Amino acid sequence: DADVTQTPRNRITKTGKRIMLECSQTKGHDRMYWYRQDPGLGLRLIYYSFDVKDINKGEISDGYSVSRQAQAKFSLSLESAIPNQTALYFCATSEDGNSPLHFGNGTRLTVT
Amino acid sequence: GQNIDQPTEMTATEGAIVQINCTYQTSGFNGLFWYQQHAGEAPTFLSYNVLDGLEEKGRFSSFLSRSKGYSYLLLKELQMKDSASYLCAVRDYTGNQFYFGTGTSLTVIP
Repeated sequence: DADVTQTPRNRITKTGKRIMLECSQTKGHDRMYWYRQDPGLGLRLIYYSFDVKDINKGEISDGYSVSRQAQAKFSLSLESAIPNQTALYFCATSEDGNSPLHFGNGTRLTVT
Repeated sequence: GQNIDQPTEMTATEGAIVQINCTYQTSGFNGLFWYQQHAGEAPTFLSYNVLDGLEEKGRFSSFLSRSKGYSYLLLKELQMKDSASYLCAVRDYTGNQFYFGTGTSLTVIP
């Protein structure tokens, strides 16, 4: 089983719809992150969280919100999806400030 | 701000050695990471440097010069399965955020 699991793997939605992407981990890490990846732009940080009561904005948080429901769960919501939010989304975890990121398998989101 | 540069594409021959460069200009620095990403898959961690010098891990090595804002990833004895994107990432001085380059797409040819 994957240590960092994202659901769904693929999602197609229409402009204006609210959607949620979910991430769960069995690594026991406190730190969790949401990134999006676009061709030619690389990975960009949306939000990150270091424990259940801690939420921090990344570079590109506008249009997104997150919820850290438990140490193991971190979900990303698009309140009103728009086409330029079409991207590959990755959840990641890390053990501490000296450790690398461990990525989930990604969610490919298409907004039409 | 953060500025991380890598070549967009490289091609190399099976069995050869390839060096992928990364230059960075960041407002703070607390380590440089290399990740491998096959098409449609998650990035996986390869190597990490926080001090100047060379770190070796089997066929992969990574070098860092903090004074020059420069790193490279060296892949030896290239195999076809090494065809992938290689991502350079800098961790900020707080240790809280990672900033990624756009990645270098490596194609290994027979």
